[in-house]
Amino acid sequence: EDQVTQSPEALRLQEGESSSLNCSYTVSGLRGLFWYRQDPGKGPEFLFTLYSAGEEKEKERLKATLTKKESFLHITAPKPEDSATYLCAVQEGVQGAQKLVFGQGTRLTINP
Amino acid sequence: NAGVMQNPRHLVRRRGQEARLRCSPMKGHSHVYWYRQLPEEGLKFMVYLQKENIIDESGMPKERFSAEFPKEGPSILRIQQVVRGDSAAYFCASSPLRNNEQFFGPGTRLTVL
Repeated sequence: EDQVTQSPEALRLQEGESSSLNCSYTVSGLRGLFWYRQDPGKGPEFLFTLYSAGEEKEKERLKATLTKKESFLHITAPKPEDSATYLCAVQEGVQGAQKLVFGQGTRLTINP
Repeated sequence: NAGVMQNPRHLVRRRGQEARLRCSPMKGHSHVYWYRQLPEEGLKFMVYLQKENIIDESGMPKERFSAEFPKEGPSILRIQQVVRGDSAAYFCASSPLRNNEQFFGPGTRLTVL
C-alpha cells in the first residue's frame, strides 16, 4: 500500500530563517508528487507537481525537489504569512488510479 | 473563473439524519474527487467520479455513503443515518483531465450531534 510520511510534524522558525520540509514515499511507480498548502478552516491550495527524480520547481520563497524516495520543500527567508500546514501527496502510476494519497502534513509557524 | 464550490460550508445533523454535500467543479473540469479529513488526521480519498460514472470508490465506507455526479448539476455526497464518527471536513476536488492537478474546494464541515 502507498505510504507518505512527512517530517517534522511541526516546525517553528523565526522570520527569515530558512529550512526544509521532508516527504518520503513508497509507491508502486510514481505518476506524480504534489505539494499543497492548507490554512486553518480552508481547503488545500495547490503549489507544485513533480513528475521525475531530479525535477525542481520554484514559486516565490518555495522550492520543491524530488528524488526516487523523497521530496523536499525548501523555504527561503520565510515570512509570517507562510505559516500554514504543508501537505504532500502522491499519485500512483497504475492504470486508472487517480486518487491522491496524502501525508499527515507539516504544521509550519513563522514568528515575526 | 470561479474555483471549486462546495455547499453548505457548515452542516449540523443529529444522529440518524441524512447529510447531503454538494460540489460544483471548476468550469471545464469533468473529474471530481471526494476526500475526508477527520479531526487530527490527514486527508483520505473516498471516491472518484466522472459525469454519470463512478470510477473508483475504494475509499468509501461500505454502508450509508453514496456519491453521484449527474449529467446536469453538482456532484452529491450523501451520508445516510449519520453517526458521531462521521463528523469531519469533507473536501471536493476537480481536475480537467485524468492525472492532472486536483484543485480543492473550501470544504463542508459536518458536525453530528
